[in-house]
Amino acid sequence: DAGVTQSPTHLIKTRGQQVTLRCSPKSGHDTVSWYQQALGQGPQFIFQYYEEEERQRGNFPDRFSGHQFPNYSSELNVNALLLGDSALYLCASSLYLGLRRDSPLHFGNGTRLTVT
Amino acid sequence: ELKVEQNPLFLSMQEGKNYTIYCNYSTTSDRLYWYRQDPGKSLESLFVLLSNGAVKQEGRLMASLDTKARLSTLHITAAVHDLSATYFCAVEVARGGADGLTFGKGTHLIIQP
Repeated sequence: DAGVTQSPTHLIKTRGQQVTLRCSPKSGHDTVSWYQQALGQGPQFIFQYYEEEERQRGNFPDRFSGHQFPNYSSELNVNALLLGDSALYLCASSLYLGLRRDSPLHFGNGTRLTVT
Repeated sequence: ELKVEQNPLFLSMQEGKNYTIYCNYSTTSDRLYWYRQDPGKSLESLFVLLSNGAVKQEGRLMASLDTKARLSTLHITAAVHDLSATYFCAVEVARGGADGLTFGKGTHLIIQP
């Protein structure tokens, strides 16, 4: 049973460029959330996708956008990259809120983005 | 705005000792999670706590939840080196049918022989 998979594992981009990160949820999960983890900090919620729609969004600018596909996989896009966007980007999958009780979010291994 | 505070943020302890990590949060929560993160790795789920008075134990770790005090604790019994890691608590508040976790800053735990 494959867990949450993310690609690529590492990425180096230049300030002002655009980047796309990808995530496949754990088998059986239908909801994907994205988190940004700066070095030495806790993860911060970016947004969540369910039924191919953004359901909730954290305090991130419009430069951060996403998409969910019919097979539940998801992409995170970041435009006009800033140095401060350098972080570990984590994808988490779950069953939609109303269907789960005590099952946790399952996190992927993340994509390490470095902006120079 | 939901705030989640952990303390201590850094803890160095000796093997065999007991210690507790505290997690305070500022608003009513639907769920509280504890995660472990090893350096350069992703987050590993430890516990999910749903209701007031909930207590869960796994090996040398025990987590509890007091929703009235908005406090969760992670207790380490007879620590061993393998428990060295960063521990995060995260609080979930369901809004409009969707949910996102708010994490604390993490407790960096070093257990020395």
